[in-house]
Amino acid sequence: AQTVTQSQPEMSVQEAETVTLSCTYDTSESNYYLFWYKQPPSRQMILVIRQEAYKQQNATENRFSVNFQKAAKSFSLKISDSQLGDTAMYFCALCPVIQGAQKLVFGQGTRLTINP
Amino acid sequence: DADVTQTPRNRITKTGKRIMLECSQTKGHDRMYWYRQDPGLGLRLIYYSFDVKDINKGEISDGYSVSRQAQAKFSLSLESAIPNQTALYFCATSDRGQGNNEQYFGPGTRLTVT
Repeated sequence: AQTVTQSQPEMSVQEAETVTLSCTYDTSESNYYLFWYKQPPSRQMILVIRQEAYKQQNATENRFSVNFQKAAKSFSLKISDSQLGDTAMYFCALCPVIQGAQKLVFGQGTRLTINP
Repeated sequence: DADVTQTPRNRITKTGKRIMLECSQTKGHDRMYWYRQDPGLGLRLIYYSFDVKDINKGEISDGYSVSRQAQAKFSLSLESAIPNQTALYFCATSDRGQGNNEQYFGPGTRLTVT
């Protein structure tokens, strides 16, 4: 079975601060992808960043970066220089690479508020 | 125009009614998915389809059925709606040929069953 756990239901920081969202996962598959999705009040699910398990280098996308610890099965998201527009629900998701399958398993989500 | 569309965007219905949520995509993807989102639970997979003739149950398929009318259309039905099916429903698509396993989501349908 595949599981994803986000242990921080809510977080709040001041604008321009750096914030880290935690995610742990469990899978028996050796190859998989990990994602962070953002869901602003508009409800749209927006892909923030993607990490391939076989790549040791941590993925980065502008102000967003991840700390991927494969042995610990940890996949945290760091947002630098946070902006008001970063206020949203953030979901961590796991996609094991199993032949014929491409199913996402989501964590419970972390509600992030950026205060002015 | 949006690549993945869902209709309706919001719907209120009564217990026992049959309701259909529709999803269309212009991305040309072969794979389509239905998820529901509940507070504190994240998104959970209801059904998924790898092509028109290949439909599979997901984690929480009880009380739901689906139809893949064409590669671009995937509908979710609640035969007899009940209040605990009140949730936000998302359709998503992906492309088997795209090796990154990324899924693209529609805007969601807010369903309330009274």
